[in-house]
Amino acid sequence: EADIYQTPRYLVIGTGKKITLECSQTMGHDKMYWYQQDPGMELHLIHYSYGVNSTEKGDLSSESTVSRIRTEHFPLTLESARPSHTSQYLCASSAQQGADRSGANVLTFGAGSRLTVL
Amino acid sequence: KNQVEQSPQSLIILEGKNCTLQCNYTVSPFSNLRWYKQDTGRGPVSLTIMTFSENTKSNGRYTATLDADTKQSSLHITASQLSDSASYICVVSDRGSTLGRLYFGRGTQLTVWP
Repeated sequence: EADIYQTPRYLVIGTGKKITLECSQTMGHDKMYWYQQDPGMELHLIHYSYGVNSTEKGDLSSESTVSRIRTEHFPLTLESARPSHTSQYLCASSAQQGADRSGANVLTFGAGSRLTVL
Repeated sequence: KNQVEQSPQSLIILEGKNCTLQCNYTVSPFSNLRWYKQDTGRGPVSLTIMTFSENTKSNGRYTATLDADTKQSSLHITASQLSDSASYICVVSDRGSTLGRLYFGRGTQLTVWP
């Protein structure tokens, strides 16, 4: 059972609302990620973090922001939600890469947060 | 352009039958390839991970193969069960950075019928 938790699992909100998707992991992993996934499409990296106070934008441009104040916590915030933000958001974490690259960067995913913006 | 292509897009089989899912990639330089299983409404779960020197790896009824020369991988499922119904995602990592950038396929949607 993965020790990475996302809340809420499902969220339906109106346009213009501010939302925060929570992600917490109890594995002590340094690296954390946010992916966006639409039906039948590949996962797209929107944010990642190497550790506390580190945040980087991913491959897919996103209007969301993230913070990493604590190792275990990596919330994602949308200041003003729009229908185009409707999607599944997946949080993941991985341990710091070791000397043996085999098995490096194996991601543990949360169950996801499905956001619908009306 | 680094890409990961999976086939078929979807597959329906009867319970107890075997099946093979394909993954072709153009990612270079190659670091490792992993297969994930994603149940509907859940996050992906890792099945196997293979590096350049590994040709095959098993995890229960799942067996993954890798041909690094032709840049192809397959995931073979033996004696399928209803619980195998899921999307199977091929992910390839490069060695271009410390983070090891990941390239995701779109997945093969497998449905197992009783």
